[in-house]
Amino acid sequence: EPEVTQTPSHQVTQMGQEVILRCVPISNHLYFYWYRQILGQKVEFLVSFYNNEISEKSEIFDDQFSVERPDGSNFTLKIRSTKLEDSAMYFCASIEGLAGSGSQFFGPGTRLTVL
Amino acid sequence: AQSVSQHNHHVILSEAASLELGCNYSYGGTVNLFWYVQYPGQHLQLLLKYFSGDPLVKGIKGFEAEFIKSKFSFNLRKPSVQWSDTAEYFCAVTLLSGGYNKLIFGAGTRLAVHP
Repeated sequence: EPEVTQTPSHQVTQMGQEVILRCVPISNHLYFYWYRQILGQKVEFLVSFYNNEISEKSEIFDDQFSVERPDGSNFTLKIRSTKLEDSAMYFCASIEGLAGSGSQFFGPGTRLTVL
Repeated sequence: AQSVSQHNHHVILSEAASLELGCNYSYGGTVNLFWYVQYPGQHLQLLLKYFSGDPLVKGIKGFEAEFIKSKFSFNLRKPSVQWSDTAEYFCAVTLLSGGYNKLIFGAGTRLAVHP
C-alpha cells in the first residue's frame, strides 16, 4: 500500500537555526499538508499546498515558515529561525482529490527538538 | 471558530468491555467527519470516515461511529475492546466550504485496555 514518508524521524537543533523537514507524499496525490502536535496538545493544521502554491495557512504559519515542492516528489517545510516553542511532532499528509473524494494519508512524523 | 471536542482525555477499560468515545464539533455547515487512531510509536491512521449517506459508518477493526447531525456529534464505538486497541484516538472534521480539506482535530482520547 502506498504511504507518505518523512525524514528525518527526529531532528535536534539549536534555537535560531534553520531546519528543513522533508516529506514524500503519495505519488498521485495533489494536495499536501503540514500539521504539528506539541507534546500533550492537539494536532494543529499549519498549511495546505496545491498546484505549487499555498492554498491555506493557519495563524501559526508565520514568516518563519515556508513550504516548497522542489521537485515532483518532495514536499518540504522550512523553519527559518527555530524557537523553543517550535519543538513538536510535525506531520505531513496528502490527499488525492478535493473534499468528498477521499481522506488524508499521514506520514510517521518528524520529532523536532529545539534546544 | 470551528472546533472539535472530545469529552474523555483518558479512558481505561478491561478487555471485552464496550467502548464509546464522544466527539462533538461546532460548525453549522456541511462537514466530513473522521476518526484517526495513533498506536504507540506509529503514525496517524484512518479508522473510519463519514462523508454522506448512512449515518452509521463502519471502520476497520470492528469500530463504528454514528453521525447525529442534530447533536453535532460523531461518537466512536466498539462493542468489545482488545488489548491491541490501546492507542490514542482523534476525532477530526473538514469543512466543505473551505475546499482544501484542512483537518480540525480534537484533543484526542488516550485509551488503555488492560488484559
